Amino acid sequence: QVQLVQSGAEVKKPGASVKVSCKASGYTFTSYNIQWVRQAPGQRLEWMGWINAGSGNTVSSQKFQGRVTITRDTSANTAYMELSSLRSEDTAVYYCAREVVGAVWFDPWGQGTLVTVSS
Amino acid sequence: QSALTQPRSVSGSPGQSVTISCTGTSSNVGGYNFVSWYQQHPGKAPKLMIYDVTKRPSGVPDRFSASKSGNTASLTISGLQTEDEADYYCCSYAGSFTVLFGGGTKLTVL
Repeated sequence: QVQLVQSGAEVKKPGASVKVSCKASGYTFTSYNIQWVRQAPGQRLEWMGWINAGSGNTVSSQKFQGRVTITRDTSANTAYMELSSLRSEDTAVYYCAREVVGAVWFDPWGQGTLVTVSS
Repeated sequence: QSALTQPRSVSGSPGQSVTISCTGTSSNVGGYNFVSWYQQHPGKAPKLMIYDVTKRPSGVPDRFSASKSGNTASLTISGLQTEDEADYYCCSYAGSFTVLFGGGTKLTVL
């Protein structure tokens, strides 16, 4: 079955970077996009950006431009989201999700990765 | 961009119907037929319930339906069940390959 499995929880200090992975299985990785969405504690879902796993083209939210880097490794069927210059407000659960190219809906989602930013 | 506007909470009794609205602008909800809805139980990842404004993925009960009028999309859940109690988020394409989520609505089944 189609599945996205994310890397484990991280604790980072302010100013550091974090890289979250999202390993796909059960489908042709390069035929879909991978989206990244985060959710701060008790807050709403917030879109961060996406990557076309085939071409490697990316788009990110203006809010995160300059701080977020989305990449993929097609040999490992894995997408990555790296967020730099972390601050306490970046404490959140980070999700990846699969998206059909040309569609705008996310299914399925990874289990989420908690990133805690604390000094 | 600001989030799409959803009511913070709605409630209903088992068997009743509730409707959750999602208001945006002509630059997102009103401009494209790319509205989706997600259900999220506490501590869980979101689950796709509706896509392309009105379509239900296989496995989603037909108690869930959706529509759009102008800049407002709506999700209706009929025949409420206790397991429907969750947070619901709308999501819309917002142009230039970007996406916008709503603020989320907490559904309580009384």
